[in-house]
Amino acid sequence: KAGVTQTPRYLIKTRGQQVTLSCSPISGHRSVSWYQQTPGQGLQFLFEYFSETQRNKGNFPGRFSGRQFSNSRSEMNVSTLELGDSALYLCASSRGGGGYNEQFFGPGTRLTVL
Amino acid sequence: QKEVEQNSGPLSVPEGAIASLNCTYSDRGSQSFFWYRQYSGKSPELIMFIYSNGDKEDGRFTAQLNKASQYVSLLIRDSQPSDSATYLCAVIRNSGNTPLVFGKGTRLSVIA
Repeated sequence: KAGVTQTPRYLIKTRGQQVTLSCSPISGHRSVSWYQQTPGQGLQFLFEYFSETQRNKGNFPGRFSGRQFSNSRSEMNVSTLELGDSALYLCASSRGGGGYNEQFFGPGTRLTVL
Repeated sequence: QKEVEQNSGPLSVPEGAIASLNCTYSDRGSQSFFWYRQYSGKSPELIMFIYSNGDKEDGRFTAQLNKASQYVSLLIRDSQPSDSATYLCAVIRNSGNTPLVFGKGTRLSVIA
């Protein structure tokens, strides 16, 4: 079974630009969660999508948005990039049907904002 | 008080010893507990999960959960240099439809 895939793996942008990251979950998984990881803050939850609907949202500004498609693939978008947005962006998928769901992470997208 | 707390380490143990990693959480309603291992430059990898009080063993790994004391631990027996990584504790509060809350991780170094 293929794991979670994320594209692109590395990205360099400048302040003020926008970026779109993509995540394909494990086959059969309907939930996709996005996290930002930085050395200072650790892993912070951005949002979760389940069946094309945002089910949970973390404490991030509105510049961070996402969506999920009918095939469960998900994208996240960051507009008006700031230097502080430089981070590893991880997505994780799970079955998402309720109960206790194990989440499996993709390899991440390393975003550098110059 | 942070929701999930871990000692940042580094925790250094000799090869072959038992490594003990601890995690405390603040929400008494938390239901599910996970341990992830993250090698430098890599993404977190799920290694154990535990839902009920007591011990759960998987190979060299044992997860221990004590809901009354609000702590969860991970024991690694016969530690190997390849176990050197950051170990992240994560908790799901209440139902399974709430997000994972992560601790900042404990860095483990196994010395050959």
